[in-house]
Amino acid sequence: EPEVTQTPSHQVTQMGQEVILRCVPISNHLYFYWYRQILGQKVEFLVSFYNNEISEKSEIFDDQFSVERPDGSNFTLKIRSTKLEDSAMYFCASSVTAGVSTATNEKLFFGSGTQLSVL
Amino acid sequence: AQSVTQLGSHVSVSEGALVLLRCNYSSSVPPYLFWYVQYPNQGLQLLLKYTSAATLVKGINGFEAEFKKSETSFHLTKPSAHMSDAAEYFCAVTVTDKLIFGTGTRLQVFP
Repeated sequence: EPEVTQTPSHQVTQMGQEVILRCVPISNHLYFYWYRQILGQKVEFLVSFYNNEISEKSEIFDDQFSVERPDGSNFTLKIRSTKLEDSAMYFCASSVTAGVSTATNEKLFFGSGTQLSVL
Repeated sequence: AQSVTQLGSHVSVSEGALVLLRCNYSSSVPPYLFWYVQYPNQGLQLLLKYTSAATLVKGINGFEAEFKKSETSFHLTKPSAHMSDAAEYFCAVTVTDKLIFGTGTRLQVFP
């Protein structure tokens, strides 16, 4: 079965440093997402991306965050200057379609996550 | 705004016992509701979804959930727990094309 791949599985960084989290979505998917889960809290939507631009972002996704699809296969999340509160599990997801549709979310595939620890 | 609340961050059951994981939702419009499971070191996997067709929804691995509008609930059940069911379970509701998740419930199964 196709899968979304995330690297690294664990990332440790110093506060103020830049980090890039990498994701390889399923090859024929067109819509890409980042979610995160702070320990003990809800999985939260960060951003959705389609046709090389952000289609929606949450209030968490401030100027410190950016996403990119640099080469047609990778989908990255960059945090410019990490803060302690950025420590979380970050999930990448991809889908073929989007919109308010049950089928949409059925076809939403998640990666296994990157655990980011900011010290 | 839509949201889901999962009652109980940890649930422990014996193998063969009933599994009941609770989820209550809040929505101003008819919701689409989901249960996802995350096994250790794996991504989120869809267990089942409520699409407003049937109120009792059957999913993979013997799980099912019942949509109860009067109770605003979508609890997940399985008649007989198996050791392999040990995982984190997330309830979610849709808003546009993004999911709103609950905080998750970690299920432990003891022999």
